[in-house]
Amino acid sequence: EAGVAQSPRYKIIEKRQSVAFWCNPISGHATLYWYQQILGQGPKLLIQFQNNGVVDDSQLPKDRFSAERLKGVDSTLKIQPAKLEDSAVYLCASILAAGLPEAFFGQGTRLTVV
Amino acid sequence: AQSVTQPDIHITVSEGASLELRCNYSYGATPYLFWYVQSPGQGLQLLLKYFSGDTLVQGIKGFEAEFKRSQSSFNLRKPSVHWSDAAEYFCAVFVGQAGTALIFGKGTTLSVSS
Repeated sequence: EAGVAQSPRYKIIEKRQSVAFWCNPISGHATLYWYQQILGQGPKLLIQFQNNGVVDDSQLPKDRFSAERLKGVDSTLKIQPAKLEDSAVYLCASILAAGLPEAFFGQGTRLTVV
Repeated sequence: AQSVTQPDIHITVSEGASLELRCNYSYGATPYLFWYVQSPGQGLQLLLKYFSGDTLVQGIKGFEAEFKRSQSSFNLRKPSVHWSDAAEYFCAVFVGQAGTALIFGKGTTLSVSS
């Protein structure tokens, strides 16, 4: 079974530029999460999708971050414009269903904003 | 609001010695509980999980954890630590309802001395 795929693995951009991350969850997994992990901290939930609908985006900085999951499969997270404090690892995770809450994580995208 | 507390930011253990990493959660009912490990530059790997039943759960790499409802704790243990166990360890809680997500603690960094 293929795991959660994320790309790119690494990205370096200048502040005020834009960047996009892509995630392809495990096939059949209805729930998809994006987490932000700042160095030395635990992952923080940014947004949760159930199929192609947003369930929780209360911690997503909506003035600069956006995310979509148009067909209920893969997802894109965008930052525009980026700030220095956005430097972090962005993790994508998926679970089959809320009643089966074991989450599978991708390798993450390490973003450095300079 | 649900929360996860890992009181120890950094622990150093001698190789071959026993290990216990603490985790406390705040939630009214019994949540689903997880321990993840993250090596530098790597993704999150699930060590073990507790959903229900036997309160002592076994995981990979010789780790185990014990759920104590009265103390709202889910401490991770290993009888004999290996140098390769040096990593960041995260405790996580899933409250088991649709529309919720994994909530992580801030992590404990484990160093292993020879």
